[in-house]
Amino acid sequence: GAGVSQSPSNKVTEKGKDVELRCDPISGHTALYWYRQSLGQGLEFLIYFQGNSAPDKSGLPSDRFSAERTGGSVSTLTIQRTQQEDSAVYLCASSPDRTYEQYFGPGTRLTVT
Amino acid sequence: AQSVTQLDSQVPVFEEAPVELRCNYSSSVSVYLFWYVQYPNQGLQLLLKYLSGSTLVKGINGFEAEFNKSQTSFHLRKPSVHISDTAEYFCAVSASGNTGKLIFGQGTTLQVKP
Repeated sequence: GAGVSQSPSNKVTEKGKDVELRCDPISGHTALYWYRQSLGQGLEFLIYFQGNSAPDKSGLPSDRFSAERTGGSVSTLTIQRTQQEDSAVYLCASSPDRTYEQYFGPGTRLTVT
Repeated sequence: AQSVTQLDSQVPVFEEAPVELRCNYSSSVSVYLFWYVQYPNQGLQLLLKYLSGSTLVKGINGFEAEFNKSQTSFHLRKPSVHISDTAEYFCAVSASGNTGKLIFGQGTTLQVKP
């Protein structure tokens, strides 16, 4: 079946602009995660959605970052007023409830110039 | 809070030789443990996981790992590597009964030489 998909695969933006990154999880997966992979920080958890529960936003690095998940499916990660330190690969993962096995998408490479 | 330390940033090895990638974790609560592999320009793929039960876990592509609670380790092993195993490997933990969010180690690059 179809895996986790992310778009765009690459995004180049100018410092100060807003960007939106999209994640389509595997159908039926109730849990959705966003992670960031950068050279300096490695792989970091950003945010977690589970069904209709309040999201766990504890990993978001600043209030410029936000995310939403509509209809329990597609998720969008928004970064406002991008900075050069936001340059990274943003990975999305989804998981069936309570299996603790996360399936990762190919990522979106964000470059802020 | 949990943390993960991968003791080697790079491991060079010749084809058909055995390999061990080391992982130690720190946690005040019970954890679940995972190994993921990342091939160039791709996302992460689960190799194996330990949730409970037998401490020796077998995964895909001939990899296995052993959970050692007393030494807080979860080392990854393969008896004979192939060129195609060249990739970056990540050890990760999540607190049991929690959201499932993963805390990753810094990664180990496995370089298999012919």
